Amino acid sequence: EAQVTQNPRYLITVTGKKLTVTCSQNMNHEYMSWYRQDPGLGLRQIYYSMNVEVTDKGDVPEGYKVSRKEKRNFPLILESPSPNQTSLYFCASSNPGSAQYFGPGTRLTVL
Amino acid sequence: QKEVEQNSGPLSVPEGAIASLNCTYSDRGSQSFFWYRQYSGKSPELIMSIYSNGDKEDGRFTAQLNKASQYVSLLIRDSQPSDSATYLCAVNEYGNKLVFGAGTILRVKS
Repeated sequence: EAQVTQNPRYLITVTGKKLTVTCSQNMNHEYMSWYRQDPGLGLRQIYYSMNVEVTDKGDVPEGYKVSRKEKRNFPLILESPSPNQTSLYFCASSNPGSAQYFGPGTRLTVL
Repeated sequence: QKEVEQNSGPLSVPEGAIASLNCTYSDRGSQSFFWYRQYSGKSPELIMSIYSNGDKEDGRFTAQLNKASQYVSLLIRDSQPSDSATYLCAVNEYGNKLVFGAGTILRVKS
């Protein structure tokens, strides 16, 4: 089954404790992206990657890191999480010019 | 900053009626347009893609694109309570970057 997977689905952590949210796609898509979604603010892009070893900032990159060492994986790293990073996070992938397909989401709470 | 505008709603329609959702965008160079449906707490689900002017139909859904007016719409015929969700308009800005509207809440009343 073609899909984008994310782990974990739910995470409660404390301020300053480094965490990684994994994202993997099995559709051989070149493009991958991370979004956060907050009430009243819609979907905002954090980082994206056009291909392996090619990443760039989206609209709200502060406090986040990413890497793209393999085509299928695009982990999101929070080196020192803060409460304002409490949000619903989505990973997405696509081929150029095509629709993006979203993972199931990761609900992160930073205390 | 390129923008995609949607009326936040909620748009309330009775069961069986046609729901009409609208979206405008600012970047005249946009080439790809998408409608996503999102249930509360769930991920956006692609329901329609449209790339050229005119109408595109898929089951109960029709997407309409007018590039001259920078306008894209989604019609849902025979609306069902299960169609109640937030509908996101997304526009391909450049490369593969999608710009999303804030979404329109649709409520279908039985």
